Amino acid sequence: KQEVTQIPAALSVPEGENLVLNCSFTDSAIYNLQWFRQDPGKGLTSLLLIQSSQREQTSGRLNASLDKSSGRSTLYIAASQPGDSATYLCAVKAPEGNNRLAFGKGNQVVVIP
Amino acid sequence: NAGVMQNPRHLVRRRGQEARLRCSPMKGHSHVYWYRQLPEEGLKFMVYLQKENIIDESGMPKERFSAEFPKEGPSILRIQQVVRGDSAAYFCASSPTTGMTEAFFGQGTRLTVV
Repeated sequence: KQEVTQIPAALSVPEGENLVLNCSFTDSAIYNLQWFRQDPGKGLTSLLLIQSSQREQTSGRLNASLDKSSGRSTLYIAASQPGDSATYLCAVKAPEGNNRLAFGKGNQVVVIP
Repeated sequence: NAGVMQNPRHLVRRRGQEARLRCSPMKGHSHVYWYRQLPEEGLKFMVYLQKENIIDESGMPKERFSAEFPKEGPSILRIQQVVRGDSAAYFCASSPTTGMTEAFFGQGTRLTVV
């Protein structure tokens, strides 16, 4: 059974600092890994999708890396802004389990102005 | 192309009533997944459906919960005789195929049982 862990559970950083969010998963046989953003009381917004054959994906200030063999992904957010305050969720999709997503509990981020 | 549409956004039910949650997948998507997010918990898989078929319901409670995805119309998650522990956010996701494709989520339905 795939287990996904996100560390740290919560963090606060001053505006302008870079954010580093970690995700680990137990079964390296995955199709892909997705990072989502969730604002309080809202839905999930997909940020980045990394296929199992890729090492990283970039979108604007966001960069996500994937090391499938060690079961790790890292989301970097450069030059954080107060608007980046949210919960970031990591999810992996695997062949086993009918392609469902296995989620971590999230990294709750507060960027202090 | 509208995204995944869920309604209602908020639903309040008294204990013992029925809750019906609806999900319209993105156009062209025939795979629908339901997830539940309990307070302070991560999202947990409930059920995976294709048109007129339940593919995997291993994450759904055995009693009171059912799901369908008819040939026409939205997917429905039905909870009978709701209890306080059913209070949660229920999210629907859709994808065009299985495998390496991206999953797109709706805004969720927040169920409160009073």
